[in-house]
Amino acid sequence: GDSVTQMEGPVTLSEEAFLTINCTYTATGYPSLFWYVQYPGEGLQLLLKATKADDKGSNKGFEATYRKETTSFHLEKGSVQVSDSAVYFCALGGLGTSGSRLTFGEGTQLTVNP
Amino acid sequence: DGGITQSPKYLFRKEGQNVTLSCEQNLNHDAMYWYRQDPGQGLRLIYYSQIVNDFQKGDIAEGYSVSREKKESFPLTVTSAQKNPTAFYLCATSSLAVTWGGQETQYFGPGTRLLVL
Repeated sequence: GDSVTQMEGPVTLSEEAFLTINCTYTATGYPSLFWYVQYPGEGLQLLLKATKADDKGSNKGFEATYRKETTSFHLEKGSVQVSDSAVYFCALGGLGTSGSRLTFGEGTQLTVNP
Repeated sequence: DGGITQSPKYLFRKEGQNVTLSCEQNLNHDAMYWYRQDPGQGLRLIYYSQIVNDFQKGDIAEGYSVSREKKESFPLTVTSAQKNPTAFYLCATSSLAVTWGGQETQYFGPGTRLLVL
């Protein structure tokens, strides 16, 4: 079945450092790929998404490119801020008889220190 | 004010008790979902519904029940059969108007934290 593997955390960076959180997936067909962010005690917010190979999703300085050849969707940001501290989830969405369900990775905790 | 509302924010369950978590949306989305999140883990799908009066089991449906009598509402009942209910429960919605090459985004509510007394 479909699965998502995320880089293990926690990740701790200094402000203005470069961020990469790795995400690889296994899926049949042509899934959409998502990154969600969760701040403490809150629900998930969509950060960015890509719907087909070579698409680049971007938002708030974060970027991720849908790489079908390496089955990856790594999240990057050039200069992180303290306010980026949160848990980041990679997810894939498939179409099929089970409807538009998402499969999530385990999440990566990011802490950014001033 | 559009969005997804979950209540209560915190819920306490006694041994052998059934409790119901509320999820309401005014986004006019067709599909609604319930996920369970345990500390340090990803989300696991409990139930989902794509249309009123119909719902499907997810990966961990045992010990839970749902109903979908209205498009706007998808309550989740945690029954006494669920032996380890302590978790953060998230409701999500999506439109089923699937665009070319992709799946509609799921939008999440603020969550309900369930604790056992």
